[in-house]
Amino acid sequence: AQSVTQPDIHITVSEGASLELRCNYSYGATPYLFWYVQSPGQGLQLLLKYFSGDTLVQGIKGFEAEFKRSQSSFNLRKPSVHWSDAAEYFCAVALLTGGGNKLTFGTGTQLKVEL
Amino acid sequence: GAGVSQSPRYKVTKRGQDVALRCDPISGHVSLYWYRQALGQGPEFLTYFNYEAQQDKSGLPNDRFSAERPEGSISTLTIQRTEQRDSAMYRCASSSSGYEQYFGPGTRLTVT
Repeated sequence: AQSVTQPDIHITVSEGASLELRCNYSYGATPYLFWYVQSPGQGLQLLLKYFSGDTLVQGIKGFEAEFKRSQSSFNLRKPSVHWSDAAEYFCAVALLTGGGNKLTFGTGTQLKVEL
Repeated sequence: GAGVSQSPRYKVTKRGQDVALRCDPISGHVSLYWYRQALGQGPEFLTYFNYEAQQDKSGLPNDRFSAERPEGSISTLTIQRTEQRDSAMYRCASSSSGYEQYFGPGTRLTVT
């Protein structure tokens, strides 16, 4: 069975500092990988996705992520964090089944931004 | 355009009652997914539909849970004889391509 691990439950960074959120997956083939963000009272918003090709993918809000097959990782990065980035971040892996796309999520990383 | 909507946003019910949670997907989206998210956890897959056909219900925890999408648009997730352990955020997502899923705001269910 596939699984996703987000080792950091909470992370605190200062505004303007760089950010890296870790994600490791366990899957028998090259997966489809996603990062979602969840703000209080909001739904999950897709930040970026990796399907194939260039292993460095750009997303919305200045985020990027790098797929590293050798490390089974898909870490999320941002060069300079803004206070509005404080939220919970989820990494997810897709298992294609019957034409669908069943997502398996990690447990999330709560990001706090200090002003 | 309009995103995925869910209703009600909050539902408090007594143990043993039935509840119905509604999801209205993005217009034209073929696939619709239901997930459940406990506090401090990521969402967990429950079931999904392509058009009106329920393709996978392997995530439904037991036979008290059922879902339907009779006309290939709006979907209802029904929980019969609710128990306290059913308390969670229930999330719906829709997709046109089968790859990117767009989530609604969720329904927070509390069983007392």
